[in-house]
Amino acid sequence: EAGVTQFPSHSVIEKGQTVTLRCDPISGHDNLYWYRRVMGKEIKFLLHFVKESKQDESGMPNNRFLAERTGGTYSTLKVQPAELEDSGVYFCASTTGIPGELFFGEGSRLTVL
Amino acid sequence: ILNVEQSPQSLHVQEGDSTNFTCSFPSSNFYALHWYRWETAKSPEALFVMTLNGDEKKKGRISATLNTKEGYSYLYIKGSQPEDSATYLCAFDSSASKIIFGSGTRLSIRP
Repeated sequence: EAGVTQFPSHSVIEKGQTVTLRCDPISGHDNLYWYRRVMGKEIKFLLHFVKESKQDESGMPNNRFLAERTGGTYSTLKVQPAELEDSGVYFCASTTGIPGELFFGEGSRLTVL
Repeated sequence: ILNVEQSPQSLHVQEGDSTNFTCSFPSSNFYALHWYRWETAKSPEALFVMTLNGDEKKKGRISATLNTKEGYSYLYIKGSQPEDSATYLCAFDSSASKIIFGSGTRLSIRP
């Protein structure tokens, strides 16, 4: 069974540009989370989807970040326009039920120059 | 603001020694407490998900306890081995939606 996959593994963009990160959860996992780790600090919660619905998006830093999960399958996280402080590693995790262990992807490293 | 604290931040242990570290979390609105093991250049992997006060879980040489009334959990590693070197993360789930991670305890095992 395939694990959680994330694309791209690394993206380097200029300040002001747009980047879209994608996460494919494990098949059948209704719950999908986005987290990010900035400057080697702790993993910070961004938002939680249940199927295609946003259950909690209180961790989204500002309106430059937009997450979608059309059809309740894969999810995208768009940053537009990107700022220097958005650099970090963006992790996606999925799980079947709540509570349940999170299965993490390998992360997408974003570097904004 | 939900605060999840882990201590110590880092720990150096001699191979063969046993060790433990702490996760503190809010004692109200508890839903679940997670422990993850995170090796360098990999993604976090689940060790335990605990839901009941007094719960104790064990996986090989690693075990965890949970006290939801006072808001803490301990992770124990018995007879540390070099492959135990990793960052150990705890995560507090207060609402079945928002799972908040601590900053982790970085464990290094000296051969």
